[in-house]
Amino acid sequence: DAKTTQPNSMESNEEEPVHLPCNHSTISGTDYIHWYRQLPSQGPEYVIHGLTSNVNNRMASLAIAEDRKSSTLILHRATLRDAAVYYCILRVRDVQGAQKLVFGQGTRLTINP
Amino acid sequence: DSGVTQTPKHLITATGQRVTLRCSPRSGDLSVYWYQQSLDQGLQFLIQYYNGEERAKGNILERFSAQQFPDLHSELNLSSLELGDSALYFCASSGRGRGNEQFFGPGTRLTVL
Repeated sequence: DAKTTQPNSMESNEEEPVHLPCNHSTISGTDYIHWYRQLPSQGPEYVIHGLTSNVNNRMASLAIAEDRKSSTLILHRATLRDAAVYYCILRVRDVQGAQKLVFGQGTRLTINP
Repeated sequence: DSGVTQTPKHLITATGQRVTLRCSPRSGDLSVYWYQQSLDQGLQFLIQYYNGEERAKGNILERFSAQQFPDLHSELNLSSLELGDSALYFCASSGRGRGNEQFFGPGTRLTVL
């Protein structure tokens, strides 16, 4: 399965931007990069996804390197509610054409007030 | 609230027993996914169903099985339970959204004693 590498933990301050890095050097041309987060005691929550171009939505921005071997999730102004485990995932298509998410260990983000 | 419901919220049972976990996807979503989250293994994809048919298989044990019914709800059956099966079990659903993002339910916490 395609793998991603993320730092185990990161810390930031409230109302400051946060850049969460992810390496995916074995990514193939059809793999989408997805980000999910898991707040304490909840199921994972979709954040953003992209293929080649940078993406923005109301929650975050996703910056994808030109060679697609790495990406960065950007939270523009972190709040205490953003404290969670953030997962960078490659959505891979298997030989039958089915798509699945392969979760890694994620980055535990702590936000300081 | 993701729109995905799971029952029961908690389940405590003994080794060797069999349990059934239930999931109702978001209205209109045809795909249902099952994941297991344990402390040592993280979030592991188990199986996907699409409109009643099995679509993709992950690290699902032979003691585990799932099905999706005509009304699109799904059940995950776990049998001959072992202590190591204690985990959080999440169900997710996806529709025809642009990124096929998955919407996760609140999970069922299974404790095997």
